[in-house]
Amino acid sequence: EDKVVQSPLSLVVHEGDTVTLNCSYEVTNFRSLLWYKQEKKAPTFLFMLTSSGIEKKSGRLSSILDKKELFSILNITATQTGDSAVYLCAVVDYGGATNKLIFGTGTLLAVQP
Amino acid sequence: DSGVTQTPKHLITATGQRVTLRCSPRSGDLSVYWYQQSLDQGLQFLIQYYNGEERAKGNILERFSAQQFPDLHSELNLSSLELGDSALYFCASSVEGRGSSYNEQFFGPGTRLTVL
Repeated sequence: EDKVVQSPLSLVVHEGDTVTLNCSYEVTNFRSLLWYKQEKKAPTFLFMLTSSGIEKKSGRLSSILDKKELFSILNITATQTGDSAVYLCAVVDYGGATNKLIFGTGTLLAVQP
Repeated sequence: DSGVTQTPKHLITATGQRVTLRCSPRSGDLSVYWYQQSLDQGLQFLIQYYNGEERAKGNILERFSAQQFPDLHSELNLSSLELGDSALYFCASSVEGRGSSYNEQFFGPGTRLTVL
């Protein structure tokens, strides 16, 4: 059965800390891996990763994919209270007719001032 | 604001009842996806429609059904509601149609369903 597993389930850090969120997957028809940020409302798109070893970067956030070991990490440096959210990892599973998203259960990040 | 709208924002109903959730996709998007997010299951894909036709099914119960209308808005019907159906229901849309290219899905604000 296809699955996406995120760790840790939650973490609490202080402003300025750096955090690393993990996502591992077992998906038969892997196409891409996506990261979303969810703050009490709809998930908002952060990154899409398709190729191994190529880092995607947006400000203090960065992410990389390892297709051999089947995982991705999301790094957040110099965390701010506004980074507090649930971070979701999803894998695009191409089943032949359409692309489906398989989500992990998320990592809850709380950044304390 | 993603451009995807969902109504109602919050719905409270009793077990055994039936509800309809409504979604209007972004202008120009032909595909609509429905997701259920509960505390213990995370975000689960339910069903996808493309230009009025069902395209893919996920973990959707037989008590649930959906449709997409000619104006491309979609409705998710939940019947014989149980306590465990309480969740946040998201709709997403994309330009994706046939072919293997993945196009970003834009999520609506969600409808929170509470079954008492």
